[in-house]
Amino acid sequence: QVQLQESGPGLVKPSETLSLTCTVSGGSISSHFWSWIRQPPGKGLEWIGYVYYSGSTKYKSSLKSRVTISIDTSKNQFSLKLTSVTAADTAVYYCARDNYDILTGSQSWFDPWGQGTLVTVSS
Amino acid sequence: YVLTQPPSVSVAPGQTARITCGGSNMGSKSVHWYQKKAGQAPVLVVYDDRDRPSGIPERFSGSNSGNTATLTISRVEGEDEADYYCQVWDSNIEQHVFGTGTKVTVL
Repeated sequence: QVQLQESGPGLVKPSETLSLTCTVSGGSISSHFWSWIRQPPGKGLEWIGYVYYSGSTKYKSSLKSRVTISIDTSKNQFSLKLTSVTAADTAVYYCARDNYDILTGSQSWFDPWGQGTLVTVSS
Repeated sequence: YVLTQPPSVSVAPGQTARITCGGSNMGSKSVHWYQKKAGQAPVLVVYDDRDRPSGIPERFSGSNSGNTATLTISRVEGEDEADYYCQVWDSNIEQHVFGTGTKVTVL
């Protein structure tokens, strides 16, 4: 079955750029949407954005100015870049497949998910 | 778009837990539910209001009507203790939205 694995630095300095990669195994990254989701310590889940295998993207409005999600189909990977980070960006970051509902013509649920990676923003 | 859940629900083993997710015109949206345990990735337990992924016990069920969606856990077991989140795709703003989360405690 499809499995996802996040990778990247666990510590990022304030004002710098957070960069994470999600590697998809057990299936092709093509023909699917892929999302990044995060959970700050003690808080709820927050959707960051998605990328389609074609490269088209959609981001959460409040993060749009700082987020870039890209995809590399040759490597079966997609990536997240978040610029100008602050302590508020400290969170466990998850990647997940963002399923598309053909009947409604819209995005639907997230499954499967990666195990998550903690990124701490601190000097 | 805001999805409001009760912060906590407590239930005795063997009883039924009901977790609500309120939002404007929820009945017109497809609602999905996740179980989140500490240190683990979220797990999809109900999708499209009431469908269960393979491997999810029949004890988990969902409904959606009016302004409220509900996740029901019947015959609650200790392993059901977790945080639960609802989620929708808001086509008006083209964003995924998660609920505020509910901590289920098994007494």
